[in-house]
Parts: sequence; structure tokens; C-alpha cells
Amino acid sequence: KAGVTQTPRYLIKTRGQQVTLSCSPISGHRSVSWYQQTPGQGLQFLFEYFSETQRNKGNFPGRFSGRQFSNSRSEMNVSTLELGDSALYLCASSLETPGGEQYFGPGTRLTVT
Amino acid sequence: GQQLNQSPQSMFIQEGEDVSMNCTSSSIFNTWLWYKQDPGEGPVLLIALYKAGELTSNGRLTAQFGITRKDSFLNISASIPSDVGIYFCAGQTYLNYGGSQGNLIFGKGTKLSVKP
Repeated sequence: KAGVTQTPRYLIKTRGQQVTLSCSPISGHRSVSWYQQTPGQGLQFLFEYFSETQRNKGNFPGRFSGRQFSNSRSEMNVSTLELGDSALYLCASSLETPGGEQYFGPGTRLTVT
Repeated sequence: GQQLNQSPQSMFIQEGEDVSMNCTSSSIFNTWLWYKQDPGEGPVLLIALYKAGELTSNGRLTAQFGITRKDSFLNISASIPSDVGIYFCAGQTYLNYGGSQGNLIFGKGTKLSVKP
């Protein structure tokens, strides 16, 4: 079974621009979660999608948004980029059951200049 | 909000040594997960724990879900060079039953390096 895939792997953007990141979950997994990883704050939860609906959301500003498609693929968008948005963005997928194990993709390294 | 205290922050290992790390929280969790992350990669799931008191092994790795549900530890026996990396604990609380699941709360990580 193929693992979680994320595209692109690396991205460089300028302050004020917007960016869209993509995640394809493991086949059969219906839940997709997004996390931001920075050296200072560590791994922080952004949001979780299940059956095209946002089910849970972390403490991030409204500039961070996401969506999930009918095939469970997910995208996250960050608008009006700030320098502090530079981070590794990780996507994790899991089965729909409560407390399911989450499997991570390789991440997208976003650099904002 | 919920926080996890993971210790130690870093440690040096010599091949063959046993390694221990732990996570504690003021909150109760329903699930504890342990991950390893190598540079430039996403975290890889090592062990998942679902019941208080549960002791689970995966090769040379052993993890336990604390009785109080507020802590967990991970042991690595007879370490080898490829054990080097950053280990994260993560706790999860169910939002509600019937299909929903909570997000993961992560510790800050334990960085394993080789003794110079």
C-alpha cells in the first residue's frame, strides 16, 4: 500500500503571496489531518477533515484553510503569507475509527522570504 | 490547552546502550503514540498504545501507557547507529465516540545522537 504523499516537497514564496499544498492519504483512509512543524513551536495541529467536512480545528488564524475532496485527497491554503509561516507542513491520514493511528507524509517545506 | 512534557530533550548514545524517554501531561489521554523523525522526513509511527497499563513492544522498542493515563515511556534496548533521530510522543483525546477522533498533541521531542 502506498503511503501518504504530499506535493510539492519544497516551496519558496514571498511575503503576501498565497500557497496551496496537497496531500493524498493512504488508500482507504478517510481522515486527513494537517500539522505545522517549526523549531520553536514543534508540531502543532492545524485542522482535520473527514468526509469532506472539517471536524476539528487548531488555534491558527483564518489565513490557514483547507478542504477535502470526495476521494479523500486534501489541500491546505495559506493566504497573505508571513515570514513566520515558514515551516514544515505535514499531512497525516488515518481510518475513520476514533483514536486511529495517524500516518504522516514526508511534508512540504515552505520558505517565506 | 493540553501540553506534553517530554524528557530528556536530548541524549547521546553509545552503540549497545539502552535508552529511556518519557512524556507526562496534566491531562488524560485515550491514546499514546510514539514516532521517530529523521531529518527532512515526516514522523514514522513506532508504537501505538490504547489502554492504561498497556505494555507494547516493536522489536527493540518497548512502550507503556501509564496507569493514570497521563504519561507514557519508550525504551530502546541495545541501541544501534540507525536509532539516531528525534523521537516524539503524542497523546490523543477522543472528541466523541461514533466516528470522530481527536487531534494529536505532541511533545517537543527527544533528540538521540551518537556519543562523540
